[in-house]
Amino acid sequence: DIQMTQSPASLSASPEEIVTITCQASQDIGNWLAWYQQKPGKSPQLLIYSATSLADGIPSRFSGSRSGTQYSLKISRLQVEDTGIYYCLQRYSNPRTFGGGTKLELK
Amino acid sequence: QIQLVQSGPELKKPGESVKISCKASGYTFTNYGMYWVKQAPGQGLQYMGWINTETGKPTYADDFKGRFVFFLETSASTAYLQINNLKNEDMATYFCATGGWFAYWGQGTLVTVSS
Repeated sequence: DIQMTQSPASLSASPEEIVTITCQASQDIGNWLAWYQQKPGKSPQLLIYSATSLADGIPSRFSGSRSGTQYSLKISRLQVEDTGIYYCLQRYSNPRTFGGGTKLELK
Repeated sequence: QIQLVQSGPELKKPGESVKISCKASGYTFTNYGMYWVKQAPGQGLQYMGWINTETGKPTYADDFKGRFVFFLETSASTAYLQINNLKNEDMATYFCATGGWFAYWGQGTLVTVSS
């Protein structure tokens, strides 16, 4: 199975800061990676797909990038509503695998 | 718009079975597979597997082989997850999701297992 190692596990940042979350894949997965945001008691919401494509209705301050087998989610100009837990997901092969999650809090 | 509506919370005893439904609307049900995801209390997302909505063939992740069953009622655009012989560690919220990129999610169904 492909392992997705996500870091950091938690993160605290101030409004308007830039934050970056990464996922390291255990093997090549091409661009078969997505990012999700989950708020307490809610379902995950798709933010980024195909590693770099912004999902419908997602603010442009969210962006995704790839360098080899390392994938990054960047949030520019952090807003209060960006708190939550962020997950990556690989859909290159079965079984799909999620990263362990990054809890983002605002200072 | 695409919607997935799941059945309500369940309280079960160890050893019992539970059946969770996921009713889809807003698209042709057989266009996308249906995925199932487990989230234990305070934990991350765990992929359980998926069911091919065209053929009805389920595929289970290793941790979910044996007691877990995915099936369909295609005429009702509904997918089901059944968990047999419930154990304490099955206590979790279960989500259905669809779209190739898991773009659409149900609201989740909380299963509580307690004697």
